[in-house]
Amino acid sequence: DGGITQSPKYLFRKEGQNVTLSCEQNLNHDAMYWYRQDPGQGLRLIYYSQIVNDFQKGDIAEGYSVSREKKESFPLTVTSAQKNPTAFYLCASGTDSNQPQHFGDGTRLSIL
Amino acid sequence: RKEVEQDPGPFNVPEGATVAFNCTYSNSASQSFFWYRQDCRKEPKLLMSVYSSGNEDGRFTAQLNRASQYISLLIRDSKLSDSATYLCVVGAWDGGFKTIFGAGTRLFVKA
Repeated sequence: DGGITQSPKYLFRKEGQNVTLSCEQNLNHDAMYWYRQDPGQGLRLIYYSQIVNDFQKGDIAEGYSVSREKKESFPLTVTSAQKNPTAFYLCASGTDSNQPQHFGDGTRLSIL
Repeated sequence: RKEVEQDPGPFNVPEGATVAFNCTYSNSASQSFFWYRQDCRKEPKLLMSVYSSGNEDGRFTAQLNRASQYISLLIRDSKLSDSATYLCVVGAWDGGFKTIFGAGTRLFVKA
């Protein structure tokens, strides 16, 4: 069954801690994306990758880091530099930038 | 001006009603257009792509007006299950390809 898997579904971060959100896809998509959604707000792009070993900053990259070592995987690290990390994080993938994106079911991150 | 603008609503309609949402975009070089649906506390799901000639999928009709830079979504015979937030999404070249999500329009369909 093809799709995008995000884990964990819920994550709690202590102050000063880095946490990593997992995103795996078996759709053979080249492009992958990370978005943040705050309550009642639209999606904001954190990072995107159009090909393995390459990624670009989105609109709100500060305090986040990513890697793209494999086509299937695009993990997002929320670093301690991100002072307001509580949000709904969504990973998406697509065949290319001009095609619709397909989303994982998200990770909710909260501060302890 | 926001790159993609939608009326946040909420739209409250009775079952069986027809409801229409508009979305305006600022970049005249925009190339791809989509409508997504997002249920509360869930991920967005693609509802339909929007083509230049307009397209229909069952009760849903999408249209694109490039001259006025807006896209629309029409829902006929609304069902309770149509209650959700509808996101307008626009793709354009802007020093690299960008996909911009609107903040969404909230729809409540009541019995």
